[in-house]
Amino acid sequence: GESVGLHLPTLSVQEGDNSIINCAYSNSASDYFIWYKQESGKGPQFIIDIRSNMDKRQGQRVTVLLNKTVKHLSLQIAATQPGDSAVYFCADGGSQGNLIFGKGTKLSVKP
Amino acid sequence: KAGVTQTPRYLIKTRGQQVTLSCSPISGHRSVSWYQQTPGQGLQFLFEYFSETQRNKGNFPGRFSGRQFSNSRSEMNVSTLELGDSALYLCASSLAVDRGLGQYFGPGTRLTVT
Repeated sequence: GESVGLHLPTLSVQEGDNSIINCAYSNSASDYFIWYKQESGKGPQFIIDIRSNMDKRQGQRVTVLLNKTVKHLSLQIAATQPGDSAVYFCADGGSQGNLIFGKGTKLSVKP
Repeated sequence: KAGVTQTPRYLIKTRGQQVTLSCSPISGHRSVSWYQQTPGQGLQFLFEYFSETQRNKGNFPGRFSGRQFSNSRSEMNVSTLELGDSALYLCASSLAVDRGLGQYFGPGTRLTVT
């Protein structure tokens, strides 16, 4: 079956540094991925998405890289700020329409 | 434009009771999905509705059910509550069932079963 995993459960970075959060997926037919940010007490917030016909997509301070060969994607956050502290989830768009989420990586930003 | 709203935000129930949670999607969104979030299992898909029809269902027992109204608002119901049903229940809306349109989540309903 489909599964989505994260390489690290926690990540601690210094304010101003760049953060990289990794994610692996198992379904080679997956063609759509989303990164979400979830702050304490809130629902997941859409950050950025990418389709499998792309290998890179950039947003404001965020970049998602997709490597279909090794079924891996990453979220890069530039100049990480304290407000970036949250749990980050990658989600596989799935074959049925529902999202398949990874377990999440908790990002802590040290001032 | 208002985001996804869920009511109530917090709920405490006892085992054996039933509960109904409500979700109002973003205006214009016609697809509503429900997810359960627990520390152990993470985010798991419950079901998805579009145009008042259930289009997809996750691997949950029949105690979990839902419906969608003509205005796209959705409710989910859990009958015969068990302690393990304690979780954050999240609703997400999308314009349609096209996965590429993205799903936008509400703040969730925190259900505690005692």
